[in-house]
Amino acid sequence: AQRVTQPEKLLSVFKGAPVELKCNYSYSGSPELFWYVQYSRQRLQLLLRHISRESIKGFTADLNKGETSFHLKKPFAQEEDSAMYYCALSGHGTDKLIFGTGTRLQVFP
Amino acid sequence: GAGVSQSPSNKVTEKGKDVELRCDPISGHTALYWYRQSLGQGLEFLIYFQGNSAPDKSGLPSDRFSAERTGGSVSTLTIQRTQQEDSAVYLCASSRSNDEQFFGPGTRLTVL
Repeated sequence: AQRVTQPEKLLSVFKGAPVELKCNYSYSGSPELFWYVQYSRQRLQLLLRHISRESIKGFTADLNKGETSFHLKKPFAQEEDSAMYYCALSGHGTDKLIFGTGTRLQVFP
Repeated sequence: GAGVSQSPSNKVTEKGKDVELRCDPISGHTALYWYRQSLGQGLEFLIYFQGNSAPDKSGLPSDRFSAERTGGSVSTLTIQRTQQEDSAVYLCASSRSNDEQFFGPGTRLTVL
């Protein structure tokens, strides 16, 4: 079955601390993996996708097929990173997204 | 340019009533998606339209839910005989094929 697991509902860190939001997936095949972010009172928006291999707002995520993980990392968290983060996958030949339950990141000053 | 728009932004209804939620995708986007965001459930896929192909309805939770996309543009999600468990934020997204999905602001549905 297709599934995305985000084990942490809430992650709280202080400004300047490293951040790692965990994401594991289950999929029989080669999915595409994404991180979406929703800032307070804003729309859900794409943060990054694994095929782009980009760093967006200092965030990176590496697809580990052996561990079926796609953890989101940032070396130095900023207060403006406080938001809800969703990991998602889409399967080959389809665009529909399967989301995890999300992790709320709180960055304290 | 204009993003995805949804109406109404909020809808309160009584159990048993039917509701219609509207989505206006970004012009030129061939794909349109509906998702539901519930407390504790995260974001669930509901239905997906791609061009003139038959829609992927695999995420619809029951036969009370249906959706149409007219003229390859505007979409309406209809929930018949609403139940309290239907209370959620309903999100619409659109994209060019195999490209980034752009989300609307959502419709918050409350079933009393």
